[in-house]
Amino acid sequence: RKEVEQDPGPFNVPEGATVAFNCTYSNSASQSFFWYRQDCRKEPKLLMSVYSSGNEDGRFTAQLNRASQYISLLIRDSKLSDSATYLCVAEWGSGTYKYIFGTGTRLKVLA
Amino acid sequence: EAGVVQSPRYKIIEKKQPVAFWCNPISGHNTLYWYLQNLGQGPELLIRYENEEAVDDSQLPKDRFSAERLKGVDSTLKIQPAELGDSAVYLCASSRGANPISYNEQFFGPGTRLTVL
Repeated sequence: RKEVEQDPGPFNVPEGATVAFNCTYSNSASQSFFWYRQDCRKEPKLLMSVYSSGNEDGRFTAQLNRASQYISLLIRDSKLSDSATYLCVAEWGSGTYKYIFGTGTRLKVLA
Repeated sequence: EAGVVQSPRYKIIEKKQPVAFWCNPISGHNTLYWYLQNLGQGPELLIRYENEEAVDDSQLPKDRFSAERLKGVDSTLKIQPAELGDSAVYLCASSRGANPISYNEQFFGPGTRLTVL
């Protein structure tokens, strides 16, 4: 099992749709999680940290499910500009500050 | 506030040649990371610095890769000699480090795209 696993996609959705990505992690001691966005041939940019209670930033909602060891990202009212690769990141264990990136999920929002 | 700066942005070399990448992190960020990213993959950690100390270099292929962060600010990553399989994007990232969780949010530079012929 990979340390951090994501469905590579692509997810092709129409504008205005709601789309959700899941990401599983293998180390049950992991405490810190993040979602990054990466545009083609660009560097990853932080989208949001994932807090235990879940958190929302505008159209984006992140959730953590410790029992099943996954985090999710929900995007509501998709925009064309949301088209990108979304990288899931989990800390390897607790307090290690070693972050494992998933391979990314590609999203294409269609007009 | 300036972001993470990396240079060069692109580098093309022949195999067996040496190459070096430079990174200047965000001011005040104590933690610096070097990652390697292959096409279609997520970034993979090569080395992490806390100030000037390399605290995690377990993924760094030490036979050909070396890194330094003198004075705990700028960092250089070197490959000598380069192999065909080293072609990738080399990303530098920095964070404030330690708790709370927001201090571990990493900010990436634009990367150096290395092509080894």
